[in-house]
Amino acid sequence: EIVLTQSPATLSLSPGERATLSCRASQSVSSYLAWYQQKPGQAPRLLIYDASNRATGIPARFSGSGSGTDFTLTINSVEPEDFAVYYCHQRNNWPPFTFGPGTKVEIK
Amino acid sequence: QVQLVQSGAEMKKPGASVKVSCKASGYYFTTYGITWVRQAPGQGLEWMGWINGYRENTKYAQKFQDRVTMSIDTSTSTAYMDLRSLRSDDTAVYYCVGVGGGYCSGPGCYVDLWGPGTLVSVSS
Repeated sequence: EIVLTQSPATLSLSPGERATLSCRASQSVSSYLAWYQQKPGQAPRLLIYDASNRATGIPARFSGSGSGTDFTLTINSVEPEDFAVYYCHQRNNWPPFTFGPGTKVEIK
Repeated sequence: QVQLVQSGAEMKKPGASVKVSCKASGYYFTTYGITWVRQAPGQGLEWMGWINGYRENTKYAQKFQDRVTMSIDTSTSTAYMDLRSLRSDDTAVYYCVGVGGGYCSGPGCYVDLWGPGTLVSVSS
């Protein structure tokens, strides 16, 4: 089973700052990695797929990078609606298709 | 409009079973199948398994292999997730998730069509 590790666990930022979230896989997942955003009481929403492609309707301030075992989600100039929990998710090797533990982006 | 509608909240005692349903509108299980993901209160997402409507091919996470059965009734466009021998740590919101946006590459697709979730509470 591939284990995904996310850091930091919590990121405290002010609106307008840049957010950099990390996801590391215990073995290569190639580029088959996604990022999801989840707000309280809501189902997750797909932001990024194949490590760097934005899903339809996702603002350009969200970008993803990486391949193999190290991945990054960047939010340029965090907006108030971006405060949420972010999960990385691999679908290179199954079962299971694992999720990371999440990074909470909170208002500083 | 493509959507997944799940059954209502359940309260179960330890040792019991629960069957959660996921009815699809405008979504075809034979194309992409359905994934089940759960989330315990205040915790992260946990991938449980996947089923395809074609010959009901399944893949389960080893953690649930002995206790879970996923099935599909194509006549009613409904998927089911049956979890047995419930324990208190099975208390969670259970989501059925499909592929709505067609984000597919390589070995498969990314799920992006989430049902509203079904809260299953297990307590004596």
